[in-house]
Amino acid sequence: GAVVSQHPSWVICKSGTSVKIECRSLDFQATTMFWYRQFPKQSLMLMATSNEGSKATYEQGVEKDKFLINHASLTLSTLTVTSAHPEDSSFYICSARDQGQTRTHYEQYFGPGTRLTVT
Amino acid sequence: AQKVTQAQTEISVVEKEDVTLDCVYETRDTTYYLFWYKQPPSGELVFLIRRNSFDEQNEISGRYSWNFQKSTSSFNFTITASQVVDSAVYFCALSNTGGFKTIFGAGTRLFVKA
Repeated sequence: GAVVSQHPSWVICKSGTSVKIECRSLDFQATTMFWYRQFPKQSLMLMATSNEGSKATYEQGVEKDKFLINHASLTLSTLTVTSAHPEDSSFYICSARDQGQTRTHYEQYFGPGTRLTVT
Repeated sequence: AQKVTQAQTEISVVEKEDVTLDCVYETRDTTYYLFWYKQPPSGELVFLIRRNSFDEQNEISGRYSWNFQKSTSSFNFTITASQVVDSAVYFCALSNTGGFKTIFGAGTRLFVKA
């Protein structure tokens, strides 16, 4: 089956620093990847849609200058949390859509998540 | 607008009991997909099922079964003879056919006690 990896799986950083999270589709190509954020005991909230070779589309209320997304290849999207603060501490999950599938068959594969703690 | 409602925040059952997790959705799309995911304490989402809006057949997979009723916009999930390993948060989700956005419900936390 299709596999999506995330790196790192967990990270602790100091307030004011930047953190980069990678999302890779290991055995398929993904023109579209998605970034979600999940606070403790809450649901997954879509932050942005990452499109290969173009700018990401951010959901309302998500600061694009704070959460930088780069989707430079068909297998890699990165999320950089700039000037992180304790309130950015969360579980970040990416997912990728297999572009090889037909439009009538949609499949989205989720990564294992990255737990970010900002101290 | 799309919306997924999981009214049950937490459910606690004793092992071997049957339990049904409710999911009600809203969408203006005529074609869409519905999903159920399991999220154990590790955090990784486990895909359980995808259902196309044109396929209203109920499905059974082992101890799991799903009841999709378009007339009531519901997609309920039943675990038969629950086990301790079923303890997790379960999310119902909805997406359009383009797959460009998946909207998750708030989740239902299931506790299965031995």
